Amino acid sequence: AQTVTQSQPEMSVQEAETVTLSCTYDTSESDYYLFWYKQPPSRQMILVIRQEAYKQQNATENRFSVNFQKAAKSFSLKISDSQLGDAAMYFCAYRSVNQGGKLIFGQGTELSVKP
Amino acid sequence: EAQVTQNPRYLITVTGKKLTVTCSQNMNHEYMSWYRQDPGLGLRQIYYSMNVEVTDKGDVPEGYKVSRKEKRNFPLILESPSPNQTSLYFCASSRPGRVFNEQFFGPGTRLTVL
Repeated sequence: AQTVTQSQPEMSVQEAETVTLSCTYDTSESDYYLFWYKQPPSRQMILVIRQEAYKQQNATENRFSVNFQKAAKSFSLKISDSQLGDAAMYFCAYRSVNQGGKLIFGQGTELSVKP
Repeated sequence: EAQVTQNPRYLITVTGKKLTVTCSQNMNHEYMSWYRQDPGLGLRQIYYSMNVEVTDKGDVPEGYKVSRKEKRNFPLILESPSPNQTSLYFCASSRPGRVFNEQFFGPGTRLTVL
């Protein structure tokens, strides 16, 4: 069975600085998707960025980028120029291509942004 | 507007009193699922449905039931709620398949069982 681990329950960053959130996963599959979701205080689940396992190039969405290390099964999220609105819970998630739409989530990392 | 709706958003109930949390999507998605979110555990899948009349257990199905009589609706039923079912619940929908299809989440239902 696949598992996703986020070992940082809480992180803090100064406004305008860069922060990296860690995520590792375990799978025997070679084809899958990885995601980072943001959950602000409103509790809404917001897709931040996704990575297809077959792509070597790291995904980027504006200030958000990932470092995808397939062999190491590592998938970290880098937030550049952090803003107060980035404060939220962040979840790393895995999806097999063979299991419909099931997402397997990590435990979450609570990010606070200091002004 | 494409969306997944859940009702109620907040619910406080007592042990043993049957309840239903409704979920509806307007995107004609085949795949729907329920997750529960607990501190330190992330989100875990309760049940899922690949299409009308096709449902199956997720990772934490004990104490829950679902039905899929219509494509747009996927209610979560707690026949006899217990305090360990106090949690934040999310309904989600997407198109199934090997290609990437974004999963759309509902706004969440905060359930407290006393």
